[in-house]
Amino acid sequence: DVKVTQSSRYLVKRTGEKVFLECVQDMDHENMFWYRQDPGLGLRLIYFSYDVKMKEKGDIPEGYSVSREKKERFSLILESASTNQTSMYLCASQDSTRYGYTFGSGTRLTVV
Amino acid sequence: DAKTTQPPSMDCAEGRAANLPCNHSTISGNEYVYWYRQIHSQGPQYIIHGLKNNETNEMASLIITEDRKSSTLILPHATLRDTAVYYCIVRPTDSWGKLQFGAGTQVVVTP
Repeated sequence: DVKVTQSSRYLVKRTGEKVFLECVQDMDHENMFWYRQDPGLGLRLIYFSYDVKMKEKGDIPEGYSVSREKKERFSLILESASTNQTSMYLCASQDSTRYGYTFGSGTRLTVV
Repeated sequence: DAKTTQPPSMDCAEGRAANLPCNHSTISGNEYVYWYRQIHSQGPQYIIHGLKNNETNEMASLIITEDRKSSTLILPHATLRDTAVYYCIVRPTDSWGKLQFGAGTQVVVTP
């Protein structure tokens, strides 16, 4: 089975800190995605990447950046964390020849 | 992408079939119907998808109406572990990218 691993299950960071959320997939998938999930708002796409060093903005990219230096790893970066970035962050990967996503277990980030 | 409408919640007795409806009246001819579920505090899990024909796998069955304006996900023998939020999503076949998740249906399976 494809595994998508997010490095941390829970994180607490201070306002203004630079935060890195890491995601690794083990099945050589081309496409990777970062979502955030908030009560009442569902899942919203932040950024996605369809190849190494390639990235595309999703619906809510403000305050975030991403990095994909290797195919298996897709990092989400909060340049200066703010309290409104407290959320559940979900990473997903997808084989471009198929249509289903595989999600990681999520990282619950709290910014204080 | 076509929008979907699902009931906000439904209950199901353990061991019985759970039938989850989804309306997608504006679906286009090249859009697939996908179903995912999310168990509390976990990432969403892919269940099944289809275009026109009914589909079945080890988890569920997907029934799509002939006009494709609605579909039903069937969990044949619900267990307590099927308690989750179920999302119905439509997406073009040539759009490998983002999925638009709505609010979904909260399914509670009771003993």
